Amino acid sequence: EVLLVESGGDLVQPGRSLKLSCVGSGFTFDDFALYWVRQLPGKGLEWVSGISWNGDVTGYADSVKGRFFVSRDNAKNSLYLQMSSLRLEDTALYYCAKDSSYGVGNEAFDLWGQGTMVTVSS
Amino acid sequence: QSALTQPPSASGSPGQSVTISCTGTSSDIGRYNYVSWYQQHAGKSPKLMIFEVNERPSGVPDRFSGSKSGNTASLTVSGLQVEDEADYYCSSLAGGHTVIFGGGTKVTVL
Repeated sequence: EVLLVESGGDLVQPGRSLKLSCVGSGFTFDDFALYWVRQLPGKGLEWVSGISWNGDVTGYADSVKGRFFVSRDNAKNSLYLQMSSLRLEDTALYYCAKDSSYGVGNEAFDLWGQGTMVTVSS
Repeated sequence: QSALTQPPSASGSPGQSVTISCTGTSSDIGRYNYVSWYQQHAGKSPKLMIFEVNERPSGVPDRFSGSKSGNTASLTVSGLQVEDEADYYCSSLAGGHTVIFGGGTKVTVL
């Protein structure tokens, strides 16, 4: 079965750090770019970050640039999101997602995890 | 990085067609043919319905179609069915290895 499974979500105080993980299975993990997308409670989708198949190229939304860092370990079929200086507005369900196209990718997300909840609150 | 603009809601009766617009700028939709559409049912993860403006992934019914003109992309659902009631989001490559989403459109089947 083709799957992405996120973990690491938690309740954390403002200003603290948290690291999310996403493990993929059922597909050739290092063939595809991967992404983090978040959804605030009852709100729409917001793209957070992306990383190329080999980790050489990354991108970030302005809202998280300088605070979040995306990485991957293809040997472990794992994607990560290191989040620091967390703010109240970072509270959301965080999804990892896979690009639908090999290699360079086409920024279309054909496989999504179930999401992991991050709550930033004092 | 402003969000793409979608109407908050759209509706139609079973069998009818509904079209959702997604308006961006010359830096995103107008520049790239990397527009995607997603369907999200309540409490579920999003599902890819259209990629690269008008391509359908395997398994997506041909009732779903996409198009683009200038800075505006559109998703049309023909022959509306009860199970099409969901939230729909557009997205586009926005340069600098970034992606932006639309605010979402709630489709109601009357």
